[in-house]
Amino acid sequence: DQQVKQNSPSLSVQEGRISILNCDYTNSMFDYFLWYKKYPAEGPTFLISISSIKDKNEDGRFTVFLNKSAKHLSLHIVPSQPGDSAVYFCAASGETSGSRLTFGEGTQLTVNP
Amino acid sequence: GAGVSQTPSNKVTEKGKYVELRCDPISGHTALYWYRQSLGQGPEFLIYFQGTGAADDSGLPNDRFFAVRPEGSVSTLKIQRTERGDSAMYLCASSLTGGTNTEAFFGQGTRLTVV
Repeated sequence: DQQVKQNSPSLSVQEGRISILNCDYTNSMFDYFLWYKKYPAEGPTFLISISSIKDKNEDGRFTVFLNKSAKHLSLHIVPSQPGDSAVYFCAASGETSGSRLTFGEGTQLTVNP
Repeated sequence: GAGVSQTPSNKVTEKGKYVELRCDPISGHTALYWYRQSLGQGPEFLIYFQGTGAADDSGLPNDRFFAVRPEGSVSTLKIQRTERGDSAMYLCASSLTGGTNTEAFFGQGTRLTVV
């Protein structure tokens, strides 16, 4: 079963606008969530994380929102830049899964100049 | 080195052969992970080491897959009798201490192709 789902395989936005990437999870034991960015031929790079005791975490242009009741999180990038074009993975971990991360399928973001 | 290093970056092997994939974690990181990523999918967990021991190997798909970390630093993922379905990107990651609230840093991966 897919415990972490990213339902949009791709997203295209204009430079300067907001990018919103979504992620849903089913395992209520997950309590730590991360976003990774991946460029072609490179490994995933950590972007931002959020603990379940928070509902928002911000780092520069990147903000992650967590809605625990809906088991939903989102990554907002504003303003979007062409260099943000990459595949974005949502990942989750929790007490029952230990240190392992469970990843979503990824969303390809394209920011057009 | 500054980051997680994986060698080789690409490996092509014939069905039935044995392969070894190497991972050099970030110096001082006690936790090391192996993941496998197929095309169009997210990384899938294989095994987690804390120090020299495998703390969680529940993601290994079958007994053809084995991994070691004898000195608590470099790790080798070993695949016996490779099958075409083993073709994927194999990713290694390390983190300072492991645990549920720690970020993992990934290497660039080894692209394995079984022909």
